[in-house]
This record gives sequence, structure tokens and C-alpha cells, in this order.
Amino acid sequence: AQSVSQHNHHVILSEAASLELGCNYSYGGTVNLFWYVQYPGQHLQLLLKYFSGDPLVKGIKGFEAEFIKSKFSFNLRKPSVQWSDTAEYFCAPYSGTYKYIFGTGTRLKVLA
Amino acid sequence: EAGVTQSPTHLIKTRGQQATLRCSPISGHTSVYWYQQALGLGLQFLLWYDEGEERNRGNFPPRFSGRQFPNYSSELNVNALELEDSALYLCASSLYSGIDEKLFFGSGTQLSVL
Repeated sequence: AQSVSQHNHHVILSEAASLELGCNYSYGGTVNLFWYVQYPGQHLQLLLKYFSGDPLVKGIKGFEAEFIKSKFSFNLRKPSVQWSDTAEYFCAPYSGTYKYIFGTGTRLKVLA
Repeated sequence: EAGVTQSPTHLIKTRGQQATLRCSPISGHTSVYWYQQALGLGLQFLLWYDEGEERNRGNFPPRFSGRQFPNYSSELNVNALELEDSALYLCASSLYSGIDEKLFFGSGTQLSVL
């Protein structure tokens, strides 16, 4: 069955630390990959997406993600986090069958 | 422009009862998705409706059902409620235009089953 794994469930960082959140998916073929973010008290919203082309994609608020096809991974990165990045992050590979399969999410807390 | 709206915000039911949750997509969006967000389990795909038809459903029992109305709004029904149905139910909508389907989420309905 198609699945997605987010390895880190809770991450705590200090401001200015670097962030990398892992995401692995289980299926091959053409994939479209998304990261969504849910800030406290807000709706889930799109952070960035990858369809094709340059495997390094940039999203809002300084986030980027790298698609590594050979590793079935789409990790999210940010060189220097801010307190306002405190949120829950979801990886969501696109599946032609189920549309979006969301990971279990990673709760990031950034300490000021 | 109004976003995806869900009602009610909170719903408290007892075991065995039925719950009805409602979702209004963004104007012009024809696809509606339902997800269950239970603690520690991420978003579990429930149902996908497009143009009034159920396109696919996730791995949930048949007591989870729904429909999409001609105005593209949608309803999720959960029959014979069980304690483990307690969760946040999220609705999302998108323009069904192929693979570039950015989802827009509502704020959810928190269902509590006592």
C-alpha cells in the first residue's frame, strides 16, 4: 500500500538553528510532492510543492525541499528558523488513487 | 473571497448516535475532500467528491459516508458513532484541474464521542 513516513514527530529548536524534516514515500512512478503547514489556530496551508524539473524547490517563508528520487524522499529544510515557524508540518505525496496521502505530521517548536 | 467553511465547529455526541458534518468549498471549486485528523495519526483520507460523485474513499468502514450537492457543498455522515471516531474532521476543496490541485482547507469540525 502507498504510504508516507515522517520520521520526526516532535522537534524543538532554538531560533537561528537549521531545520531538516524528513519525508519518505513508498511508491514509484511519477510523483507530485507537497508540504503543508498548520500554524497554531490557523488552517492547513500549502508551503511548497514539486511537480518536475529542478529537484530543489523553494516555498514561502524561506523554506525549501529537495526531491531525491532514488531515495523516495522529499525533505524540508530551512537554514535558520524563527519563533514564528512554530507549527505542524505535513508531507503529502500526491497519489492518483487517493489524491493526497498525508504523513503523520511533525510538530516543530522554536524557542525564542 | 470566502474560504472553505465547515460547520459545526464542535459537535458532541454519544456512542451509537449519528453525526452530520457540513462543508462549503471555495466558490468555483468542484472537488471536496474529507480527512480525519486523530491525535498522532496525521490526516487520514476519508472521501473525495467531484462534480457530485464519490471518486474514491479511504480505508474507513461504510458507516462513514457522505454526499456532494449540486452547489458542490458536501456532507459527511458518521453512523453508529464509536469512541474512536473522536477527532478533528477537515474538509478541503480544490479546482479539479489535473495534477496541480492545491488544497484549501477549512478549520475543521471537532467531533467528540462520549
